[in-house]
Amino acid sequence: ETGVTQSPTHLIKTRGQQVTLRCSSQSGHNTVSWYQQALGQGPQFIFQYYREEENGRGNFPPRFSGLQFPNYSSELNVNALELDDSALYLCASERGIAGANVLTFGAGSRLTVL
Amino acid sequence: GQQLNQSPQSMFIQEGEDVSMNCTSSSIFNTWLWYKQDPGEGPVLLIALYKAGELTSNGRLTAQFGITRKDSFLNISASIPSDVGIYFCAGQNYGGSQGNLIFGKGTKLSVKP
Repeated sequence: ETGVTQSPTHLIKTRGQQVTLRCSSQSGHNTVSWYQQALGQGPQFIFQYYREEENGRGNFPPRFSGLQFPNYSSELNVNALELDDSALYLCASERGIAGANVLTFGAGSRLTVL
Repeated sequence: GQQLNQSPQSMFIQEGEDVSMNCTSSSIFNTWLWYKQDPGEGPVLLIALYKAGELTSNGRLTAQFGITRKDSFLNISASIPSDVGIYFCAGQNYGGSQGNLIFGKGTKLSVKP
């Protein structure tokens, strides 16, 4: 089975711009979560999507939004980029939403905001 | 946002030594997880703990879920060079799926060959 793939791997934006990051879930996984990992920090939960609907959200402003598609792939959109948005953005997928599932992470998209 | 307290922040050890790291929280968790992250990669699950007091092993790795549900430790025995990386603990709150995890800041492990 294929793992979680993310694109792009690296990108540079300027303050005020918008960015879209993409994620393909592991085969058979219908739940996707997005995390932000700042340099030297642990990942922080942004939100989760299950069956194309948001199923939980962390402490992130509304300019962070997402989509999940019928094939369970997902997008993270960030509007009005700020310098502090520079981070590694991780996508993780799992099967279902019950506890005890294994969360599989992608390698991430590293965003630099200048 | 809320984070777990993970210690030590970093450690340098000789190959063959045993390693111990721990994680504490002011909140109760119903699941504790330990991940390893290599450069340029996402975190990979090492061990998952589901019951207070549970002790689980995965090869040279052993982890325990604290009886108070507010702490966990990870031990690595007989470390080897490929153990280098950043180790994260993560806790799951009641009612959440594994997608909603709270991570520590990580323990960076460096091994001298």
